[in-house]
Parts: sequence; structure tokens; C-alpha cells
Amino acid sequence: DAGITQSPRHKVTETGTPVTLRCHQTENHRYMYWYRQDPGHGLRLIHYSYGVKDTDKGEVSDGYSVSRSKTEDFLLTLESATSSQTSVYFCAIRRDGSYEQYFGPGTRLTVT
Amino acid sequence: GQQLNQSPQSMFIQEGEDVSMNCTSSSIFNTWLWYKQDPGEGPVLLIALYKAGELTSNGRLTAQFGITRKDSFLNISASIPSDVGIYFCAGQLAGTGNQFYFGTGTSLTVIP
Repeated sequence: DAGITQSPRHKVTETGTPVTLRCHQTENHRYMYWYRQDPGHGLRLIHYSYGVKDTDKGEVSDGYSVSRSKTEDFLLTLESATSSQTSVYFCAIRRDGSYEQYFGPGTRLTVT
Repeated sequence: GQQLNQSPQSMFIQEGEDVSMNCTSSSIFNTWLWYKQDPGEGPVLLIALYKAGELTSNGRLTAQFGITRKDSFLNISASIPSDVGIYFCAGQLAGTGNQFYFGTGTSLTVIP
């Protein structure tokens, strides 16, 4: 399972509150990704990281920020959650030397 | 964003039947990945394809990288009940390097 954990696994929050999701990996892979999964849209890339302090935007980055201060942790922050950010969020790593991506178990976020 | 058209959207088949699904795009891709996702879990990588025309098997699963580099195919032979789930294709768009785009999935139901 590539040693990926996500926390929390479930969260309910109110509109306007900040939320931080954490992705932790144990294998020191360089690339880490945050996706959201919504019915009818498949998985869409929010942000990704290619090293400590190195991040870039994905397809649906508005309203999200990320940070990576350690190789093993990649944080996704919703500065002010909105109902449109209700989704299932997946973290993934890309195995070094390949394009294979492996996913964590996901975080189900509900914004009320 | 990039459109990956995955078909069919859903399939209902009898146990023992073979299954075919595909992913198409108007853009050229360098890498194709196929995933399976069970309810409440993260996608699990099944097969990775890196070269046009490549045919790769993983047990009863066989996937092909289309020769035009705009499509990919997944076949499952002699389906069994545990094949039930949602199958996703993902493509790494030529020239992007780090971003993958996902299809919207094929939901497979196997009737015993």
C-alpha cells in the first residue's frame, strides 16, 4: 500500500472554517499529490509537490493551499471551507523512477 | 481540463464472462495507468503502460496502450464476483511531466 496514511479519515465542518488534511508517507518518495473525487468528475488534481517546499498547482487549485516542510508529510489546507469543497480527498505518491501513482485511503470531508 | 472519455459507464455481466472497457482522448498521452476502486477505499493500481502498442497482463487483466497514443483498453477475462468495483484509467499528458488526468470510471457489476 506504499505506506500512505491520511488523517482525519472523516470530517464534518462548517462553512467558513479552516480545515487541514494531512498525508503521511513512510517511503520518502519525492512526488506527492492531492486529488479530489466527485461523482461524474473522476479524480481531479488539486496540488502536487516535487520535493520539500516545492509545490505546484493542479487543475482545481482555487480555494486550496498546500505545504510540504518534510519529505514524509504533505498538508492540504482549505482556508475558508465552502460547501462546494465537500468531497473525498485522496493523497497519492509517485514511486521514484516511474510514473506509477499509489493512493492513500482517502478523507471524506463534509462542509455544512 | 483534459477530457478522458471512459466507456462504458457501467456494465452488468454474468460471472465467467469477459469484460472490455476503454479510455479515449483527443490528446496524446505518454503513460496510461489503470486502477480499481472499491467502495470507501482508495484506487489500487492494476497496470501501467509506457509505450504505444504495449500489451501488459496482470493475472486475468490485460491492458493495451493504443498505437495512436490517444487511447487505452482494459480487458478482464473470466470475471469473478470480486472483480466488482469501479475501474479508472489515468493518462499522463505528453509535455506535462507531472500531471495525470483521470477518466470518470466504469462501474462493473458481476452477477454470480
